[in-house]
Amino acid sequence: ETGVTQTPRHLVMGMTNKKSLKCEQHLGHNAMYWYKQSAKKPLELMFVYSLEERVENNSVPSRFSPECPNSSHLFLHLHTLQPEDSALYLCASSLDRSSGNTIYFGEGSWLTVV
Amino acid sequence: QKEVEQNSGPLSVPEGAIASLNCTYSDRGSQSFFWYRQYSGKSPELIMFIYSNGDKEDGRFTAQLNKASQYVSLLIRDSQPSDSATYLCAVNRGQKLVFGTGTRLLVSP
Repeated sequence: ETGVTQTPRHLVMGMTNKKSLKCEQHLGHNAMYWYKQSAKKPLELMFVYSLEERVENNSVPSRFSPECPNSSHLFLHLHTLQPEDSALYLCASSLDRSSGNTIYFGEGSWLTVV
Repeated sequence: QKEVEQNSGPLSVPEGAIASLNCTYSDRGSQSFFWYRQYSGKSPELIMFIYSNGDKEDGRFTAQLNKASQYVSLLIRDSQPSDSATYLCAVNRGQKLVFGTGTRLLVSP
């Protein structure tokens, strides 16, 4: 069993749909993250949760709504997305938010908005 | 200036050669440096981390850090075709980890 699991692995949705990405970590970590990876761009940090509290939101549009019900689970709720939101969405976790802690990534969810 | 800069490549090396991947960063206060490997269509996986100036070796991989010059590099000895991937450099800025765009490495048999 991998440390950070994401579902679904692939998602195609229309611009008027509502869908959710799910992430679960089995590492006992206290910090969880959502990153966006688009072609030829660096990984973009979207949201950070520490002990279930959102501690960072990097100017992400409101059509992306995160939820962290406990320290092991993280969701990204999607609604009225745009085609330019098509990307690989990566969930990650780390022991805590200390700068020296390694971030471990899930396999990612490939999102296509049509 | 980008916070973390990497040459996008591709860097092409023959099998058995040493691959040298470089990364520069802008924040002098950065203390933690990471190298991730990302195969096409996959998520990044940690290769190495380094916190102190100098070299850190792990098998065929050596990370080198020079804080005065603000660069970190990754050497891969005896490169194998299976090393072909994109290598991401990541540097902390405060509590945030900032990634470069990655260098694509191609190792030819």
